[in-house]
Amino acid sequence: EIVLTQSPGTLSLSPGERATLSCRASQSVSSSYLAWYQQKPGQAPRLLIYGASSRATGIPDRFSGSGSGTDFTLTISRLEPEDFAVYYCQQYGSSPPGTFGQGTKVEIK
Amino acid sequence: EVQLVESGGGLVQPGRSLRLSCTASGFTFGDYAMSWVRQAPGKGLEWVGFIRSKAYGGTTEYAASVKGRFTISRDDSKSIAYLQMNSLKTEDTAVYYCTRDFMVITYWGQGTLVTVSS
Repeated sequence: EIVLTQSPGTLSLSPGERATLSCRASQSVSSSYLAWYQQKPGQAPRLLIYGASSRATGIPDRFSGSGSGTDFTLTISRLEPEDFAVYYCQQYGSSPPGTFGQGTKVEIK
Repeated sequence: EVQLVESGGGLVQPGRSLRLSCTASGFTFGDYAMSWVRQAPGKGLEWVGFIRSKAYGGTTEYAASVKGRFTISRDDSKSIAYLQMNSLKTEDTAVYYCTRDFMVITYWGQGTLVTVSS
């Protein structure tokens, strides 16, 4: 089973700053089957990125994903107030599919 | 508009059973796999399992933590997916989300809380 490790656990930044979130897999993620989700308190997660770098419908272009193999990154170019949330990576290329990282909280500094 | 509405959550004693339902609308239910993802209070997301569409055999896969205790089924005529949870443990306490698809998950329900406690 692929284990995803996200870092840092918490990121304290100010609006307008750049956020860089890391997701490292214990084994290579096949075909870059890696997604990122955003979750706000009391809400279901929202898909941001799939295929490691493709933005989901309606996602602003300040969100970008990159990486391959075992190392993946979610970048938020300039944080907006609504971007402060918890972010999860998920691999869906290996069995069992759908395993998630433990999350990175982006909080207001 | 795609909608997924979970129901059936609540307080249950350890060792007992509970069945969750997910009623879907806004898409051709039978064409899609359906899955369940849970989130313990204050914790991260944990994939529980999924059921493929009939076109792909309607087979199921489960996380190791629930295999043998939980069963996912579907009724395509009613557009409902089910999660039957047996032999519940306190560590099964979580919000349970129903989702369309099990790989890239675009659509999520609002979640239903299951509390396992004596």
